[in-house]
Amino acid sequence: DGGITQSPKYLFRKEGQNVTLSCEQNLNHDAMYWYRQDPGQGLRLIYYSQIVNDFQKGDIAEGYSVSREKKESFPLTVTSAQKNPTAFYLCASSIGGLSNQPQHFGDGTRLSIL
Amino acid sequence: SQQGEEDPQALSIQEGENATMNCSYKTSINNLQWYRQNSGRGLVHLILIRSNEREKHSGRLRVTLDTSKKSSSLLITASRAADTASYFCATDYSGYSTLTFGKGTMLLVSP
Repeated sequence: DGGITQSPKYLFRKEGQNVTLSCEQNLNHDAMYWYRQDPGQGLRLIYYSQIVNDFQKGDIAEGYSVSREKKESFPLTVTSAQKNPTAFYLCASSIGGLSNQPQHFGDGTRLSIL
Repeated sequence: SQQGEEDPQALSIQEGENATMNCSYKTSINNLQWYRQNSGRGLVHLILIRSNEREKHSGRLRVTLDTSKKSSSLLITASRAADTASYFCATDYSGYSTLTFGKGTMLLVSP
């Protein structure tokens, strides 16, 4: 079955540590997205990529970094510069880089501070 | 903020009743999408309605769009306990290449 796989499901970060969240899709989608969701809140866009080797900052990119070396993969690194990283992180993809396409989501990674 | 606003924030109903959620937004849009999120899971796309459409149906879902009032509604008919989830609207604002999500309506359907 095609879909988006996020790993790990739960992740703990120590102070000063960088952590990387994995997102893989086998839907052959061009565009991929990373969102952050805080309790009782909607989704806020961190980064998005409409094509391999290209990505754009979203609304809350500070303290995060991404890469898009392969069409299937869009890992997110939460750096030590992100002072409040505790949240639920969601990865999504869509057929094209247009916002008139439905987005398909993974089941998220919950990041907490130790 | 360009973020859409869902109303109500929370809704509790009995199985078999209808559930209506509303979404208001601020500027002109190309389309509006509705998503469902079960607790601890990712979002699932439900329906997309374009700015030139007024109503759209999908199974027990009915979505309306009123661009003059900058609002949309999602109606779930004959609700089931399995419909318990949070529902989000996402707007595709003109001039933007990404979606903007609202804060969601939490729906609880009791057996």
